[in-house]
Amino acid sequence: GIQVEQSPPDLILQEGANSTLRCNFSDSVNNLQWFHQNPWGQLINLFYIPSGTKQNGRLSATTVATERYSLLYISSSQTTDSGVYFCAVGENFNKFYFGSGTKLNVKP
Amino acid sequence: DAMVIQNPRYQVTQFGKPVTLSCSQTLNHNVMYWYQQKSSQAPKLLFHYYDKDFNNEADTPDNFQSRRPNTSFCFLDIRSPGLGDAAMYLCATSGELAGNLYEQYFGPGTRLTVT
Repeated sequence: GIQVEQSPPDLILQEGANSTLRCNFSDSVNNLQWFHQNPWGQLINLFYIPSGTKQNGRLSATTVATERYSLLYISSSQTTDSGVYFCAVGENFNKFYFGSGTKLNVKP
Repeated sequence: DAMVIQNPRYQVTQFGKPVTLSCSQTLNHNVMYWYQQKSSQAPKLLFHYYDKDFNNEADTPDNFQSRRPNTSFCFLDIRSPGLGDAAMYLCATSGELAGNLYEQYFGPGTRLTVT
């Protein structure tokens, strides 16, 4: 299967700081999503981004499919950004591979 | 709002006592998935339905079964829960919508405790 590596595994930020999370994957994919898992366990869709760049408020993401990586940028972080960020990739509808996540702690 | 709903949110069962978790969706998606997530780990796909076609992951234990009686509902049956089956169970859906093909949407999860 496709190997997905996320870095860093843990990140501590002071409120207001910026950060970049990375997702590397080992093979071509047709589907790439970034999720935020909140403290109650729900996975919230952030971006569907198999290629290109998207922005949504303080968050943006870029996927360079030819080089098999994706980046998630968080600017002006807030305490509510805390949680685990997952990257998930897939070739089709029938199999998705999750990275091990980046655990973010934003301190006030 | 279109959404994925899971019931119950918290479930306590006894060792060996069968339990059923349910998932429903109003997104009219044709694909539904069940994931298991243990503490501090990534979600692990157990199986999925593409319409009525059931697809089991090779390493999903036989103890886990699923039913999809119609497009909207999907059930996860754990026939004889063991202590190792305590986890968060996440249901997700995806579909062939214009725009984001097979983008997954997750329900809030059911946290299963086995005593």
